[in-house]
Amino acid sequence: GENVGLHLPTLSVQEGDNSIINCAYSNSASDYFIWYKQESGKGPQFIIDIRSNMDKRQGQRVTVLLNKTVKHLSLQIAATQPGDSAVYFCAERFGGAQKLVFGQGTRLTINP
Amino acid sequence: KAGVTQTPRYLIKTRGQQVTLSCSPISGHRSVSWYQQTPGQGLQFLFEYFSETQRNKGNFPGRFSGRQFSNSRSEMNVSTLELGDSALYLCASSTTGDGYTFGSGTRLTVV
Repeated sequence: GENVGLHLPTLSVQEGDNSIINCAYSNSASDYFIWYKQESGKGPQFIIDIRSNMDKRQGQRVTVLLNKTVKHLSLQIAATQPGDSAVYFCAERFGGAQKLVFGQGTRLTINP
Repeated sequence: KAGVTQTPRYLIKTRGQQVTLSCSPISGHRSVSWYQQTPGQGLQFLFEYFSETQRNKGNFPGRFSGRQFSNSRSEMNVSTLELGDSALYLCASSTTGDGYTFGSGTRLTVV
């Protein structure tokens, strides 16, 4: 797949545990952030987004936290399931630029 | 509601040839962006179109070009293909610039 060969950070968690995936973003002027999930052979799937005027947003089983002081973004997945195994990317949008800049990705593996 | 449709899904081309990839955005979405994904470079922005106008362009050579039609469908073209152009090419659509939805991509292999 497209992520084979790329040395991605890997997070291994037990099924049922909570997962936290971290991302450091680059531009203090970024105004919008998105987390994507990508499974092998598929395009990135939107998980959750957050604007820079917020510091937390919750979805179904997922929470995104934004710390603008240290330019850090995290994705929390509650009660991790086997179907959560994938590569997770954070993306930032530079204010007004209408383009996304992606992080390198984190591979999440679930242990039964 | 149909998602973002990219065609073809797979493509094999020879060095020096050119290729055209197609993207049909979600109905009502007027912004279409293109990205290249490779194992070495990850996901990189190519360009973005809105109402048939290119608004942003990434750091790719002029061999990479694109266009958008009045129905918001978009095409990207790569001329004089090189081995390093082998990648997954992804298209994303959005309405107001939020919530970018990606297609499944076109996997291009250059031999």
